[in-house]
Amino acid sequence: EVVLLESGGGLVQPGGSLRLSCSASGFTFSSYAMNWVRQAPGKGLEWVASVTCSGGITYYADSVKGRFTISRDNSRNTLYLQMNHLRGDDTAVYYCAKDEECTYGTSYFDYWGQGTLMTVSS
Amino acid sequence: SYVLTQPPSVSVAPGKTARVTCGGNNIGSKSVHWYQQKPGQAPVLVISYDSDRPSGIPERFSGSNSGNTATLTISRVEAGDEADYYCQVWDSSSDHRVFGTGTEVTVL
Repeated sequence: EVVLLESGGGLVQPGGSLRLSCSASGFTFSSYAMNWVRQAPGKGLEWVASVTCSGGITYYADSVKGRFTISRDNSRNTLYLQMNHLRGDDTAVYYCAKDEECTYGTSYFDYWGQGTLMTVSS
Repeated sequence: SYVLTQPPSVSVAPGKTARVTCGGNNIGSKSVHWYQQKPGQAPVLVISYDSDRPSGIPERFSGSNSGNTATLTISRVEAGDEADYYCQVWDSSSDHRVFGTGTEVTVL
C-alpha cells in the first residue's frame, strides 16, 4: 500500500522559513517523480513544485520560484520542501503527491498524502 | 500562463448525468487528468489521459477532450459523488503543471 505522510507544518512569521517533509512507503521511491501541491483555505489546488526520480531536475510554479526548494533523499524515501521568505499567501495545506512516471511532464498524480497545514502569520 | 476554466458549481439530481467542463486554449492537444476531492480529504484521481479510468473508479465516470473543452461525465449520479472536481494538464510552453479552477458538484 502506498503511503505518503507529510510533516513539518505549523505557524511561521512572515519572512520566515520552514521545511516540509514527506515520508514515502509502499513503492520504489527512487523510481518516481514527486510533487508538492498546495491548497489555500477555501481555495483550489495549486501545483507548487516537482522533482524527477533521480532528483536531478526540479520545476517550480512562478509564485514560489526563487523562494522554495524541492529536494529528495532516495536513501531515506523522503521528499522535502524548503520554504524561505514566506508570505501570507503561502498559507495553505501542502500535499505531497507521487507521480506516475520517473520524469516530469504529461503524467498525473496517482497518490496523495493527507497534507500538512502551514500558516504564515504574525 | 495557461489557464483552465471550470464552472464554479454543477447541480444534478440523483440518477441523472453530471457534466463538468474544463476550458483551455486548444486543450484538445493536451492530456487532461481529473481529480475528485471530498471535504477534508486529499484529492483522488478519477480520470487520466482524457478518458482512462484508474482501477477502483466506477464505470460511471468517463472523460472526453476535444478542441477547447475537456469534459468529465458522471452518469447515474449518486450522493457519494458530491465533491469538488479539478482538471489538470501540463503546459509545455511554460513547463508548468496547471489545475483548473475547480467545480463543486452538488447532488440535489
